[in-house]
Amino acid sequence: AQSVTQLDSQVPVFEEAPVELRCNYSSSVSVYLFWYVQYPNQGLQLLLKYLSGSTLVKGINGFEAEFNKSQTSFHLRKPSVHISDTAEYFCAVSDRAAGNKLTFGGGTRVLVKP
Amino acid sequence: EADIYQTPRYLVIGTGKKITLECSQTMGHDKMYWYQQDPGMELHLIHYSYGVNSTEKGDLSSESTVSRIRTEHFPLTLESARPSHTSQYLCASSEEAGYNEQFFGPGTRLTVL
Repeated sequence: AQSVTQLDSQVPVFEEAPVELRCNYSSSVSVYLFWYVQYPNQGLQLLLKYLSGSTLVKGINGFEAEFNKSQTSFHLRKPSVHISDTAEYFCAVSDRAAGNKLTFGGGTRVLVKP
Repeated sequence: EADIYQTPRYLVIGTGKKITLECSQTMGHDKMYWYQQDPGMELHLIHYSYGVNSTEKGDLSSESTVSRIRTEHFPLTLESARPSHTSQYLCASSEEAGYNEQFFGPGTRLTVL
C-alpha cells in the first residue's frame, strides 16, 4: 500500500525567507502528486499538482514543487514567504495501481514569523 | 459557480443526540468522500461513495453512517453522538475518471459535550 511521509511536522520560518516542505512516497510505479493547503478552520485547497510532463510544477501563491521519480519525492518550495502563508500543508499521492486511491501525508504546519 | 458545501460549519451538541452533517456539490462529480480530522492532525478517510446507492467504509472505523440517494448530496449521520466524536469532518468530491484530484468543502467542526 502507498504511504506518504512528510518529514517535518512543523516548520517555523521568518517572513520573506524561503521555505521547503519535504514529501516522500513509497511507490514509484504510476502516481499523480498533489499539495494542498489548509488555513485555520477551513477545508483543503489545491496548491499544485503533478500529472505528467515537466518535473517542476508551479502552483498558486508563488509555490512550486519538483517531482523526483528516482528519490520518490515531491518537495514544495516558496522563495519568499508571507505571514499569510501560515497554514497546514498536506502532500497527497494518487496511486494508479490502486485505482487512483488518494493517500495523504501527516501534514506540515508552517508558522511564518514577522 | 461549481462548488462543494457543508452545513453546519460549527455544531455543539449534547451526548446522545442524533445529528446529520450535510454535504452537497454542484460539480456533477460521481465520487464523494468523508474525512475525519482532529485539530492539527492528518486526515482519515471514514466513508466514500462512487455513485448513487454506492457507499463504502474508509480506512478509519467510524460509528457514523452515510447515504447517497442523489449524485450531489452525501450526508453523514451519527445516531447517538458521544464526546469521542468531537472532531472536524471534511467532505470532498472528485470526477469518476482521471487522477482523483479531490475538491474539499469548508468542513464541519463538531463538539459533543
